[in-house]
Amino acid sequence: KQEVTQIPAALSVPEGENLVLNCSFTDSAIYNLQWFRQDPGKGLTSLLLIQSSQREQTSGRLNASLDKSSGRSTLYIAASQPGDSATYLCAVKYQAGTALIFGKGTTLSVSS
Amino acid sequence: DAGVIQSPRHEVTEMGQEVTLRCKPISGHNSLFWYRQTMMRGLELLIYFNNNVPIDDSGMPEDRFSAKMPNASFSTLKIQPSEPRDSAVYFCASSPTATTDTQYFGPGTRLTVL
Repeated sequence: KQEVTQIPAALSVPEGENLVLNCSFTDSAIYNLQWFRQDPGKGLTSLLLIQSSQREQTSGRLNASLDKSSGRSTLYIAASQPGDSATYLCAVKYQAGTALIFGKGTTLSVSS
Repeated sequence: DAGVIQSPRHEVTEMGQEVTLRCKPISGHNSLFWYRQTMMRGLELLIYFNNNVPIDDSGMPEDRFSAKMPNASFSTLKIQPSEPRDSAVYFCASSPTATTDTQYFGPGTRLTVL
């Protein structure tokens, strides 16, 4: 069964810290991997998309890496801010035109 | 663009009642997805449509659930009869094509079945 796991389930850090969120997937033959952000009571917003042929993607203070051979991805957030507080979900797609398989997310709290 | 629109945003109903959730995808998007999110199981795909045709409904939990997409701008997810274990947040998402990588999510409908 194809599964996506995110550890830790929750993380609290002080403002300004750099942090890493982890995502692992059981089947390494992925098509692509996405990181989403979910704010309380809201839908999901796509942050970064990494194709299977890529190793990383960057957007502002966010950097996502992909290591297919080990079945892992990380989301690095630099200089965290209270506005980064949200739940971050990792999702994997195994073929074009198929559904995303989501992890349960990591809830991040950044204190000022 | 208004984004994906879902209604209602909150629904509270009693066990056994019929529940209908509605979704309007982004104009021009040809693919529509229904997801369910619970604390226990996370976010799971229920069904997705491409050009108004259901492509994969393997995530629909049982016959009590049905989904329709009568035209490109409207979809419904119906639960009849509803049960307390159906309580969850139901999300609708759309994408320009079935193979487009990015999906755009609506705000969700929080369903509570008493």
